Amino acid sequence: DIQMTQSPSSLSASVGDRVTVTCRASQMISTYLNWYQQRPGKAPKLLVYAASKLQSGVPSRFSGSGSGTDFTLTINSLQAEDFATYYCQQTYRTPTFGQGTKVEIK
Amino acid sequence: QVQLVQSGAEMKKPGASVKVSCKASGYNVTIYSIHWVRQAPGQGLHWVGSLYPNDDTTDYARGFQGRVTLTSDTSVNSVFMELSSLRSDDTAIYYCARRRSGVIAGQHITWLDAWGQGTLVTVSS
Repeated sequence: DIQMTQSPSSLSASVGDRVTVTCRASQMISTYLNWYQQRPGKAPKLLVYAASKLQSGVPSRFSGSGSGTDFTLTINSLQAEDFATYYCQQTYRTPTFGQGTKVEIK
Repeated sequence: QVQLVQSGAEMKKPGASVKVSCKASGYNVTIYSIHWVRQAPGQGLHWVGSLYPNDDTTDYARGFQGRVTLTSDTSVNSVFMELSSLRSDDTAIYYCARRRSGVIAGQHITWLDAWGQGTLVTVSS
């Protein structure tokens, strides 16, 4: 299976900060990469698909980039509702997820 | 409005089976595949398998082969996940999710755009 490694595993940030989460695949996956947000006690929510396409209804402060093995999710001007755990997922082969990055309040 | 509504929490003994339902509304369940993802307490997301209700094509994660069965009943717009020979480490929240797809830059990309609320399955003696 393709391994997805996210970094950092957790981070502390303040409202208004710019936050970057990275995801690395164990082999080339082109742009078969999605990002999800999961708030505590809730189901995951799709943010970005195909590495850089913003899902309908997702605020424009979220953006995704990358191709091949290295990907980035950026949150510009962090809002209170963005404190959550973020997961990347590859769908190039049998789907696998990264281990998650928890964004906490500083 | 697209919604996936799952059945309620289950408590089972080791060795038993559990069947979780996922009822779609706002669209015809035969149009898109349904994927199942599980999350153990405090842990990350793991793909379990998928079913395309239009022709009942299934795909299962290697670690669940032989223990998980995905089925559908299109008359009630629902998909089901049955997990057998339950162990304590099967304790988790199980989510169903709708798979969408598109051709982007010449590639057939897929993503999970709508999720059920999750069903907690607890396995304990």
